[in-house]
Amino acid sequence: ILNVEQSPQSLHVQEGDSTNFTCSFPSSNFYALHWYRWETAKSPEALFVMTLNGDEKKKGRISATLNTKEGYSYLYIKGSQPEDSATYLCAFGGDYKLSFGAGTTVTVRA
Amino acid sequence: EAQVTQNPRYLITVTGKKLTVTCSQNMNHEYMSWYRQDPGLGLRQIYYSMNVEVTDKGDVPEGYKVSRKEKRNFPLILESPSPNQTSLYFCASGKGNEQYFGPGTRLTVT
Repeated sequence: ILNVEQSPQSLHVQEGDSTNFTCSFPSSNFYALHWYRWETAKSPEALFVMTLNGDEKKKGRISATLNTKEGYSYLYIKGSQPEDSATYLCAFGGDYKLSFGAGTTVTVRA
Repeated sequence: EAQVTQNPRYLITVTGKKLTVTCSQNMNHEYMSWYRQDPGLGLRQIYYSMNVEVTDKGDVPEGYKVSRKEKRNFPLILESPSPNQTSLYFCASGKGNEQYFGPGTRLTVT
């Protein structure tokens, strides 16, 4: 089992504030790094798939960066809104075998 | 509508009583996978399948069986469930780097 760690485990953000959190993964034999958004009582939904060192992806107010040499990825939420409240999962691996982190649970307070 | 469906969504059963959780996808994906989610541990892969009649173990396969007789279906079988298999189970299908998750099955084994 590959060691994928996410920090912090949870965070609370005031509406309108920006925040970011980390996913750490093994820096050797890199294939792809995935980010998922998981709302309570729903299925995880894919946000980004990142494959190249230095990759930056953006979807609306959410963006992510990737550093494969040092083994980390950051997810940023700009101007947090209550609908951003969710657990954000990262996963490391190839097409068939993915190792997930435990997630960062974001709560946005109005 | 493209989707992954699981049945049942909720199940309470007793130790040793064989059960099957069904998973079906309508996206003609070759890849399908089963995960379990436990608090603080993130998603852990149980089994995956790269095509019909091709399956392989994930990180936590003990106590589970799968079959892939048709492309659209990938049932998860618990021959003799035990309380430590109480968990939230997700089926996923995908193509390339993208995975689509089902709604989850919450299983309680007493």
